[in-house]
Amino acid sequence: DQQVKQNSPSLSVQEGRISILNCDYTNSMFDYFLWYKKYPAEGPTFLISISSIKDKNEDGRFTVFLNKSAKHLSLHIVPSQPGDSAVYFCAASGFYNQGGKLIFGQGTELSVKP
Amino acid sequence: EAQVTQNPRYLITVTGKKLTVTCSQNMNHEYMSWYRQDPGLGLRQIYYSMNVEVTDKGDVPEGYKVSRKEKRNFPLILESPSPNQTSLYFCASSLSVDSSEQYFGPGTRLTVT
Repeated sequence: DQQVKQNSPSLSVQEGRISILNCDYTNSMFDYFLWYKKYPAEGPTFLISISSIKDKNEDGRFTVFLNKSAKHLSLHIVPSQPGDSAVYFCAASGFYNQGGKLIFGQGTELSVKP
Repeated sequence: EAQVTQNPRYLITVTGKKLTVTCSQNMNHEYMSWYRQDPGLGLRQIYYSMNVEVTDKGDVPEGYKVSRKEKRNFPLILESPSPNQTSLYFCASSLSVDSSEQYFGPGTRLTVT
């Protein structure tokens, strides 16, 4: 049972436009959500996070929105740049999680075209 | 430079031949973990360690062993690899078990024939 789902395996966006990556979760006990970015042949790197007590967190071009009632979060990248082309994973954790485990989605491959 | 290192980066082996993937971090992190990444499944936790000499199973521990004799090292051991363990493996670390922002190594691509 996939507790964190990214239903779009890929997304293509023009440079300068907005990229919106979506993530849905099923477990209401999750209380912290993260986005990781992964380039080929590298490990995932932390991008941005949000606590369940907030509905928005912003860091430069990156904004994460959390809709707890819909169990949905999204990552907005504005403006998108070719260097943003990567695989993006959303992840969730909760105080009940054993071992500090992150539950990851399947990933969305973003391609930003010049 | 603060980092998590893994070796080897690429490995092709045969069924049943024991292997070890090493993981080391230089950030004095207490918490370390191993994940495997498979197409369509994201990253799934194999084993984790909250501190030296403390390890426990994650979601997919079958066929794997770990040890944590020193704070900086957390090797992943496959005693008798099988083809279904062909995957991309990542080691990760964080300051403590409460820190969700984990730092990942570059990955080890393992193929078992």
